[in-house]
Amino acid sequence: GQNIDQPTEMTATEGAIVQINCTYQTSGFNGLFWYQQHAGEAPTFLSYNVLDGLEEKGRFSSFLSRSKGYSYLLLKELQMKDSASYLCAVSNYGGATNKLIFGTGTLLAVQP
Amino acid sequence: DVKVTQSSRYLVKRTGEKVFLECVQDMDHENMFWYRQDPGLGLRLIYFSYDVKMKEKGDIPEGYSVSREKKERFSLILESASTNQTSMYLCASSTGLAGGEQYFGPGTRLTVT
Repeated sequence: GQNIDQPTEMTATEGAIVQINCTYQTSGFNGLFWYQQHAGEAPTFLSYNVLDGLEEKGRFSSFLSRSKGYSYLLLKELQMKDSASYLCAVSNYGGATNKLIFGTGTLLAVQP
Repeated sequence: DVKVTQSSRYLVKRTGEKVFLECVQDMDHENMFWYRQDPGLGLRLIYFSYDVKMKEKGDIPEGYSVSREKKERFSLILESASTNQTSMYLCASSTGLAGGEQYFGPGTRLTVT
């Protein structure tokens, strides 16, 4: 079967660093995406990992270990605007094309 | 600027009505997707299409159908709306390439009474 797990909620302080973990079990793995979703808005793309290791993009970094079925999103120098839901999604080749399987999301609250 | 648009932000329908949700993308993407998003359940794939007139069932296709007559447009149809179809519906599009990110529309919040 296919399964993606991430914490439901996290709280962090402005200026701090937070790590959001994601573990997955899937067949036909074709990469892992992280999306950000503010309340009432559509998800927006943050990062994509297909090889093991760390991908850095400004204040955001994403890590992947395919052998462990594990990824994390690291947010540095937290700002109030980073309060949002963070969605982990595994890309899976579904026979006709690539599709995404989403976790339920981690709601991050950044406090002053 | 890439864009995915959906026909309505908010929609209220009665049980048993036929409901059409429209999605249009301007990026010439091959793939288009329909999801529903519910609290605690995350984004769940209803149907997707990888080419004009081609469609595949996602994880929760029951009670829904889709239509893709043109590359830029993907419609979700609720043949007979029921209260358990009250949800946020999100459309997305992507290239067919591995690693091709999905671009989402703003969503339609559908309430069935």
